[in-house]
Amino acid sequence: GQQLNQSPQSMFIQEGEDVSMNCTSSSIFNTWLWYKQDPGEGPVLLIALYKAGELTSNGRLTAQFGITRKDSFLNISASIPSDVGIYFCAGQEYSNSGYALNFGKGTSLLVTP
Amino acid sequence: DTEVTQTPKHLVMGMTNKKSLKCEQHMGHRAMYWYKQKAKKPPELMFVYSYEKLSINESVPSRFSPECPNSSLLNLHLHALQPEDSALYLCASSQPHGTSGSSEQFFGPGTRLTVL
Repeated sequence: GQQLNQSPQSMFIQEGEDVSMNCTSSSIFNTWLWYKQDPGEGPVLLIALYKAGELTSNGRLTAQFGITRKDSFLNISASIPSDVGIYFCAGQEYSNSGYALNFGKGTSLLVTP
Repeated sequence: DTEVTQTPKHLVMGMTNKKSLKCEQHMGHRAMYWYKQKAKKPPELMFVYSYEKLSINESVPSRFSPECPNSSLLNLHLHALQPEDSALYLCASSQPHGTSGSSEQFFGPGTRLTVL
């Protein structure tokens, strides 16, 4: 599968600040997913987006599926120390063989109290 | 219940050993996946099973052999691995292509594999 362009690669912020990260692709995806991964654990699904232009919130998280279907962003408002981790975007392709996730390289988030 | 379980949590094996990784889900999902993840990298897809049949094999070496004995279980049999195969192995599940409902993939906690 293809790799997505995810930025920034890392962020170091203070508690209470807002955070924004995004993913772009040269191909169209039907679904965009955002995951958070803590060290030594599996990725945890945060938000799933299914329609172009869709804006979805989950608590302090907000994500949007770009109109062109080639990009997505994730915002975290009022960050807290437990937001620390690696955030991955993933575009999902459909094929006759099944679903395949194409991941971004991840955004490493550090939050200082 | 959105839980995918994996055993063991950690595994250390020699290059001549044979071992198996196990994955289980009880969400009624009929698609299950194996991913390999190296440190500071995103997960890489290895295999996809849809309705207990292998549907995607991403050119994975034959020393990795997947098995899906039923709709809830997924195994990964390991034999004659190399040190570079050391990684976090993740299992995931979802509804398969062509079904109604969500296609979100849920991941297990992973098995940390070290090959000596």
